[in-house]
Amino acid sequence: DTAVSQTPKYLVTQMGNDKSIKCEQNLGHDTMYWYKQDSKKFLKIMFSYNNKELIINETVPNRFSPKSPDKAHLNLHINSLELGDSAVYFCASSPPTGSGTGELFFGEGSRLTVL
Amino acid sequence: KQEVTQIPAALSVPEGENLVLNCSFTDSAIYNLQWFRQDPGKGLTSLLLIQSSQREQTSGRLNASLDKSSGRSTLYIAASQPGDSATYLCAAPATSGNTPLVFGKGTRLSVIA
Repeated sequence: DTAVSQTPKYLVTQMGNDKSIKCEQNLGHDTMYWYKQDSKKFLKIMFSYNNKELIINETVPNRFSPKSPDKAHLNLHINSLELGDSAVYFCASSPPTGSGTGELFFGEGSRLTVL
Repeated sequence: KQEVTQIPAALSVPEGENLVLNCSFTDSAIYNLQWFRQDPGKGLTSLLLIQSSQREQTSGRLNASLDKSSGRSTLYIAASQPGDSATYLCAAPATSGNTPLVFGKGTRLSVIA
């Protein structure tokens, strides 16, 4: 059973297009995240959601819009894609603060290539 | 603001060697610290999680230590094997809560048979 799953795994698209990446976790966690790993392999937090509510929004262009229909899902929609958006996007989840170890579980990543 | 630094950036060792990967963090008011492994083109696999009240955690040939006062953690790998070749990432919480994690840039390990 996959704990954190992302789709699609690979996405190749043209500049200016709009695309979405979906994430689902079956761990019963309350908190979900989107991280971006750039070409230099550096992982950086983009968004954090707790119980469907946005709690952290780092300095990310507003072309990126996360949506959490329920606490098991966190999708990422990107408008007007740019070359610099090419990266691997990782979804992650963690249990509520104080209820567990705080361990973070990651999906396999979605590699986005903008041409 | 939490910053995590890992040294060395890359390390190449012959099979069988014991090795230490280093991680330092600037904000010591952390709830926990986590070590991950990333294989090329793959996601992150959690290796060890050390709570702030612990000084070390062990899993098989891996041992991670945490010294909050000095802002340091080490990952010790005993009797390295070619299958250990991967990038090892250290991550600490951004704030005094437990999430989100701030990552170091990783240490790329190559174990030569």
